[in-house]
Amino acid sequence: EAGVAQSPRYKIIEKRQSVAFWCNPISGHATLYWYQQILGQGPKLLIQFQNNGVVDDSQLPKDRFSAERLKGVDSTLKIQPAKLEDSAVYLCASSLELPRLGVDTQYFGPGTRLTVL
Amino acid sequence: AQSVTQLDSQVPVFEEAPVELRCNYSSSVSVYLFWYVQYPNQGLQLLLKYLSGSTLVKGINGFEAEFNKSQTSFHLRKPSVHISDTAEYFCAVTGAQKLVFGQGTRLTINP
Repeated sequence: EAGVAQSPRYKIIEKRQSVAFWCNPISGHATLYWYQQILGQGPKLLIQFQNNGVVDDSQLPKDRFSAERLKGVDSTLKIQPAKLEDSAVYLCASSLELPRLGVDTQYFGPGTRLTVL
Repeated sequence: AQSVTQLDSQVPVFEEAPVELRCNYSSSVSVYLFWYVQYPNQGLQLLLKYLSGSTLVKGINGFEAEFNKSQTSFHLRKPSVHISDTAEYFCAVTGAQKLVFGQGTRLTINP
């Protein structure tokens, strides 16, 4: 079974530029997550999709960050314009979604390391 | 809301020695608990999880964890570590909504 795919793996941009990250979840997984992991910290949830609908985007800085999952499969996270403090690893995860268990395992991609200069 | 505290930011141990990585959580509702491992330049991989039932949970790579409700802890243990266990370990909690991660514990194995 193929895992969660992300691209690019690394990106260096200057502040005020825009950047986009792509994620393809495990086939058949209905739920997709984007996390931000700042150096030395644990991942923080930015946004959660259930199929192509947003479940939770309470921690997404909506003035500069946007995300979409138009066909309920792959997803794009965009930052425009980037700030120095956006330097982090952006992780995508997916889960099958088993409502009867209440919670199910999230499978993570390798992440995109963003450096903003 | 839930929160997680990993009590040690770094844990150095010698190869073949036992190790315990500590995790405490707070929550006003019943929780589900997880331990993830992150190898350098990789994403997170699930080690083990507690959903219900037996409080002693066994995971991959010889790791196990014990859920202690009275002490609100979920400590991770391994009786004998290897060089390949060098990684960052994250404890996480959810009340069936979003997953909340701790700050991580860097495990360093010395030969």
